Amino acid sequence: DIQMTQSPSSVSASVGDRVTITCRASQGISNWLAWYQQKPGKAPKLLIYAASNLHGGVPSRFSGSGSGTHFTLTISSLQPEDFATYYCQQANSFPPTFGQGTKVDIK
Amino acid sequence: QVQLVESGGGVVQPGGSLRLSCVASGFTFNNHAMHWVRQAPGKGLEWVAAISHDGSNKFHADSVTGRSTISRDNSKKTLYLQMNSLTAEDTAVYYCARDRDHLLRFFYMDIWGKGTPVTVSS
Repeated sequence: DIQMTQSPSSVSASVGDRVTITCRASQGISNWLAWYQQKPGKAPKLLIYAASNLHGGVPSRFSGSGSGTHFTLTISSLQPEDFATYYCQQANSFPPTFGQGTKVDIK
Repeated sequence: QVQLVESGGGVVQPGGSLRLSCVASGFTFNNHAMHWVRQAPGKGLEWVAAISHDGSNKFHADSVTGRSTISRDNSKKTLYLQMNSLTAEDTAVYYCARDRDHLLRFFYMDIWGKGTPVTVSS
């Protein structure tokens, strides 16, 4: 199975900050990567697919980049509704695997 | 609107069985592959199983292979997960999720239900 490792595990930030989360795959996955946002007690929501494609309705302050084994999710200007846990997921091969999550909380 | 609604969760004794259901609305169900993903209390996301749009291809995680079976009834717009020989390690919220594709060529889950909780305890 392909292992996905996110860093950091948590980050404290303020409204307006730029936040970057990194995801590394244990082997190359081209651009087969998704990012999800999950708030407490809620289902995950798809933010980005194919490493850099914004899912419909997702604000443009979210962006993704990378290919191969190294990927990043960037929130350009953190908003109050962005405090949540973010997961990367490889979509290259079965089984699809998720990173352990990165919690973004209020500084 | 586009919606997935899970049901069938609950408290079950170790060794017991459950069948989870997920009813779809607001989109053409038989145009999409579907997934089950679970989340143990306080933990991350774990993919459980997937099925192609017509049910011809099915995949299960090693952790549930031999104990669980994914299926679908397109006439009822319903996805199922039959789980047997349950253990405490199966305790989780179980989400159904829609795949952007119909053939499981890639696994981007763009619509999620609210989840149904399963607790395995004596």
